[in-house]
Amino acid sequence: QQPVQSPQAVILREGEDAVINCSSSKALYSVHWYRQKHGEAPVFLMILLKGGEQKGHEKISASFNEKKQQSSLYLTASQLSYSGTYFCGTDPGRADSWGKLQFGAGTQVVVTP
Amino acid sequence: DAGITQSPRYKITETGRQVTLMCHQTWSHSYMFWYRQDLGHGLRLIYYSAAADITDKGEVPDGYVVSRSKTENFPLTLESATRSQTSVYFCASRVTGYEQYFGPGTRLTVT
Repeated sequence: QQPVQSPQAVILREGEDAVINCSSSKALYSVHWYRQKHGEAPVFLMILLKGGEQKGHEKISASFNEKKQQSSLYLTASQLSYSGTYFCGTDPGRADSWGKLQFGAGTQVVVTP
Repeated sequence: DAGITQSPRYKITETGRQVTLMCHQTWSHSYMFWYRQDLGHGLRLIYYSAAADITDKGEVPDGYVVSRSKTENFPLTLESATRSQTSVYFCASRVTGYEQYFGPGTRLTVT
């Protein structure tokens, strides 16, 4: 089942913060975050592994709560370049999963001057 | 240039026609994936492959066929295109690590 992302969209002014959440009904081994700009391919941001540390990419960081099967992506002091659609991808880590990801529907982020 | 490429980038076809979308990667990545992207659904996995001659179905495989005779190529065929297959198709690859590298996408319109 597809992970649920919230909110669906968020509008920020430059310098403001935002949080994007990703929830799964299944136990997870890892959560992946990607960003896609309009008309382009998704680009990898970071991966959070079960039992791993919180990760960061520029001023974007993320956490993974294994017990709740939830991950959150934090956009801190947002920049215009942060605009795009953010997707979480979840991996249950089963031997037969082959590292396949199930992606959420995405969260559209618009950062305005 | 090294990377992952898709062709064609844009395609318009008629209902009932067979269409093949090409994907080529130069990294010799073992794993390759085909996704379709539709508004409100994010990325949905159509087929994936762990190596040459090893493929399996994803979430939405109906109406699609794949093959992988060489590690670097992973073509996706729509056997008899339908309007519901109008979408943007992304190919991706990865090694045994976790980061997936996506191709630029193919925008397919079925009329």
